[in-house]
Amino acid sequence: EVQLVESGGGLVQPGGSLRVSCAASGFTFRNYAMTWVRQAPGKVPEWVSAISGPGDFIYYADSVKGRFTISRDNSRNTLYLQMNSLRAEDTAVYYCAKNLMNGTACYEYWGQGTLVTVSS
Amino acid sequence: EIVLTQSPGTLSLSPGERVTLSCRASQTLSNNYLAWYHQKLGQAPRLLIYSASNRATGIPNRFSGTGSGTDFTLTISGLEPEDSAVYYCQQWETAPVTFGGGTRVDIK
Repeated sequence: EVQLVESGGGLVQPGGSLRVSCAASGFTFRNYAMTWVRQAPGKVPEWVSAISGPGDFIYYADSVKGRFTISRDNSRNTLYLQMNSLRAEDTAVYYCAKNLMNGTACYEYWGQGTLVTVSS
Repeated sequence: EIVLTQSPGTLSLSPGERVTLSCRASQTLSNNYLAWYHQKLGQAPRLLIYSASNRATGIPNRFSGTGSGTDFTLTISGLEPEDSAVYYCQQWETAPVTFGGGTRVDIK
């Protein structure tokens, strides 16, 4: 059974940093691209960042480029999102998601999400 | 950026009814790289349909997707109480990935 479990969310002040993680199980992690999608309260999901299976291709939304860094540790089956220079508008539930298959950017499995709140 | 416009905004229907949800793209999706999800309150989105018309694993056959180019449709044949959710379309034809504004389906 595929499981994605996010952790690391919390309350952080504007300008601060946070790293969220996603522990994956139930599939061959290194073979799949992974994605972070966030959803602000009452809003539509927003694509944030994606990384290829080997980690050699990385993509970011313009809204987070230069502030967020996606990475993965295939030996630990874990996906990360390092978030720096956080702003109030980054407040959201952050979901990790497994891409359906290579070459697609739709998301077959999602974690339960971790809430990041940026506020003073 | 491709903008996806979903309609209607909200529907209230009875169990057993057939419902059709619309998603219109601001640019042509030449490869029909469009997916549908539903999201129940407090849960993550769940993939229903990908590449416009392919049902995802475990999705009941009352869910079907059609369309091409700029106009796409999700049909639910025979609403069940558990289908109460917000339905989103999403495209990955052109970066960045974008989601539609959603259609809320309430079951009476």
